[in-house]
Amino acid sequence: EPEVTQTPSHQVTQMGQEVILRCVPISNHLYFYWYRQILGQKVEFLVSFYNNEISEKSEIFDDQFSVERPDGSNFTLKIRSTKLEDSAMYFCASSDFRGLGETQYFGPGTRLLVL
Amino acid sequence: GNSVTQMEGPVTLSEEAFLTINCTYTATGYPSLFWYVQYPGEGLQLLLKATKADDKGSNKGFEATYRKETTSFHLEKGSVQVSDSAVYFCALRSNYQLIWGAGTKLIIKP
Repeated sequence: EPEVTQTPSHQVTQMGQEVILRCVPISNHLYFYWYRQILGQKVEFLVSFYNNEISEKSEIFDDQFSVERPDGSNFTLKIRSTKLEDSAMYFCASSDFRGLGETQYFGPGTRLLVL
Repeated sequence: GNSVTQMEGPVTLSEEAFLTINCTYTATGYPSLFWYVQYPGEGLQLLLKATKADDKGSNKGFEATYRKETTSFHLEKGSVQVSDSAVYFCALRSNYQLIWGAGTKLIIKP
């Protein structure tokens, strides 16, 4: 069964460093998402992406964040200058259409720890 | 704004007990509703969904019915197993994003 994959599974970085989280969505999917879950808190939406453009973003997704689809398979989330509060589990998701009945399929997550 | 409220956990049950995890929502219109499950050390997996009022989603013995009149989508299972121990998330779809409940940790004891 097709699945969303994410790399790395864990990443430790120093505050102020740039990190890139990578995702490979399901191959025929066209809509891509990033969410995060700070330990002990709700899952929060960050951004959605379609046709090489951001469709919607949350207040969390400020200028420190960017997304890119550099080729036909990868979807990346970049944090330019990490802060302690960026420590969280980051989930990538994809869907094959948008509308009634749409289902977002999630990857296993990348656990980011900022020291 | 749109929001989802779940019963707080952890919920601890014995094997073969009946399970209910409550979920209520606040939303404009009639959003699609979802239950996702997160097993220890794993990602978020879709458990079931419903797209309109009175729809019943079901999977792996779990069920949930979209109740417009009570704005609820409670998760039920008739006989839980130890392998059902996980965190369960209720979510609704709003525009392009999913809005999530806080999650309910379920512990099943043999």
